[in-house]
Amino acid sequence: RKEVEQDPGPFNVPEGATVAFNCTYSNSASQSFFWYRQDCRKEPKLLMSVYSSGNEDGRFTAQLNRASQYISLLIRDSKLSDSATYLCVGEYNYGQNFVFGPGTRLSVLP
Amino acid sequence: EAGVTQFPSHSVIEKGQTVTLRCDPISGHDNLYWYRRVMGKEIKFLLHFVKESKQDESGMPNNRFLAERTGGTYSTLKVQPAELEDSGVYFCASSQSGGLAGSQFFGPGTRLTVL
Repeated sequence: RKEVEQDPGPFNVPEGATVAFNCTYSNSASQSFFWYRQDCRKEPKLLMSVYSSGNEDGRFTAQLNRASQYISLLIRDSKLSDSATYLCVGEYNYGQNFVFGPGTRLSVLP
Repeated sequence: EAGVTQFPSHSVIEKGQTVTLRCDPISGHDNLYWYRRVMGKEIKFLLHFVKESKQDESGMPNNRFLAERTGGTYSTLKVQPAELEDSGVYFCASSQSGGLAGSQFFGPGTRLTVL
């Protein structure tokens, strides 16, 4: 079983839709989690950190549920520019090691 | 401010040859990470430097891979001798010391093809 698992998708949604991704992790030793986005043939870029209390950044909301060992990302009012692969990342050993999920591909359609 | 840079952007070599990848982190970033993504797989952590010291190299596949960061600035990752399964995209990332460790800035990657 992979340490960080994600539904690979693709998720095809119309502009303006709300879409949610989940990510599950198996190693409870992880300290922190992050969502990165990666455009085709580009490098990953940090989207947002994920806190247990939930955090919001504009149209994006992230949530961490340690009891159930899953992380979620909600995107409201989807834009065409949101089309990308979203990577769930767990931090271990206080920043010494990071584990990436396989990514979830999102396509926002006009 | 310049971002993380990597050189070369692409490298095509034959099995058995040696290749050296270079990463220049953002100036002032003590943390430097190497990652690899092989075709169809997730990004895998290789190792982590704090300045010139290796903190965690648990992700290095085998002893054909050697990473260095002399002087604590740029880093190199050498593969010698290269094998077919080494093909993939090698990413470097850096982050500030004391900052949120997950706030890494990635370089554009080096796409390595071993024939």
